[in-house]
Amino acid sequence: DAKTTQPNSMESNEEEPVHLPCNHSTISGTDYIHWYRQLPSQGPEYVIHGLTSNVNNRMASLAIAEDRKSSTLILHRATLRDAAVYYCILRDVALTQFYFGTGTSLTVIP
Amino acid sequence: SAVISQKPSRDICQRGTSLTIQCQVDSQVTMMFWYRQQPGQSLTLIATANQGSEATYESGFVIDKFPISRPNLTFSTLTVSNMSPEDSSIYLCSVTLAHPTQYFGPGTRLTVL
Repeated sequence: DAKTTQPNSMESNEEEPVHLPCNHSTISGTDYIHWYRQLPSQGPEYVIHGLTSNVNNRMASLAIAEDRKSSTLILHRATLRDAAVYYCILRDVALTQFYFGTGTSLTVIP
Repeated sequence: SAVISQKPSRDICQRGTSLTIQCQVDSQVTMMFWYRQQPGQSLTLIATANQGSEATYESGFVIDKFPISRPNLTFSTLTVSNMSPEDSSIYLCSVTLAHPTQYFGPGTRLTVL
């Protein structure tokens, strides 16, 4: 599986935007970029995914670099409930399994 | 979406014993997955369980240690056998309902003394 690199931790002030980076320099053409987050004491939950174009949903936006070697998850206005570990995962379109990396632990400061 | 429940939610067990964890889904799903999350760590995939066939185990995990049953399309069990303190982890099941989204259960927190 292609590897992803994320910062171990980040901090953000409440109600400010948060940009969570992910590097994936060995991404292949058939790898989708997925983001999941794990709130404290819960299982992971889906945030967003994309292939080449930027994506928006009610939870977040995903900005994908033109060469696809990096991506950024954008939370437009961080709330205390967004404090979680955020995982950037590459998965080939033909596969069903997810392999988690180390993720970024996001702390939101009131 | 899928609603997944796991039983037990937590347990404390003695070394050398076995524990069976149940995973129930409110929809019929083809594939179910079992993960382990050791304290302070990320999730590691243990195996993929398809209904009607043997589970497929990831490198480092074997059927004798983690036998899995998948009797129907809404239910699966994972047994942690002959437990040692190193097996203390959170065990999570997950399913894929609408590709590519994966849904996760709340986890079973296991402590082995």
